[in-house]
Amino acid sequence: EAQVTQNPRYLITVTGKKLTVTCSQNMNHEYMSWYRQDPGLGLRQIYYSMNVEVTDKGDVPEGYKVSRKEKRNFPLILESPSPNQTSLYFCASSLSMRENQPQHFGDGTRLSIL
Amino acid sequence: GNSVTQMEGPVTLSEEAFLTINCTYTATGYPSLFWYVQYPGEGLQLLLKATKADDKGSNKGFEATYRKETTSFHLEKGSVQVSDSAVYFCALSDRSRTGNQFYFGTGTSLTVIP
Repeated sequence: EAQVTQNPRYLITVTGKKLTVTCSQNMNHEYMSWYRQDPGLGLRQIYYSMNVEVTDKGDVPEGYKVSRKEKRNFPLILESPSPNQTSLYFCASSLSMRENQPQHFGDGTRLSIL
Repeated sequence: GNSVTQMEGPVTLSEEAFLTINCTYTATGYPSLFWYVQYPGEGLQLLLKATKADDKGSNKGFEATYRKETTSFHLEKGSVQVSDSAVYFCALSDRSRTGNQFYFGTGTSLTVIP
């Protein structure tokens, strides 16, 4: 089954404790992206990647890092999480960088930073 | 810059009522436009898309027409069902220097009552 898998689905942690949210897709997609979803703000793009070893900042990259060492994986790293990063996070992928390609979303990761 | 504005919710309708959710956009280039739907506890799923002016996207009885002259992409359905209750997001993708960025509206929550 074609899917985007995120882990963990839920995480409660404390300020400053490094964490990684994994994202994996099995569709051989070139393009991958991370979003955060906050009430009243919709989805905002954090980082995206056109292909292996190619990443770029979205609208809200501060406090996050990403890497794309393999085509299928695109982890999101919070080196020193803070409470304002409490949010619902989605990973997404699409076939290529062509702008008319729709994205496939994971089921989300709810992070709470205390 | 690029942005998407969609009507505030929540929207509550009776079954078989007509639905319109307004969406307007601002884009520097020639974007593709999308509607995504999010059911509770799930990620976003593509509902329909349109890639150029005057294109009409349609799926599951929903329709939206890419109107360049009014920079709009309003979502419509002639007769809603209880199963259509969800949050709907309007989105655009536009090519940047290094790839595609996606921009989402804030989402409109729809509840359909029997």
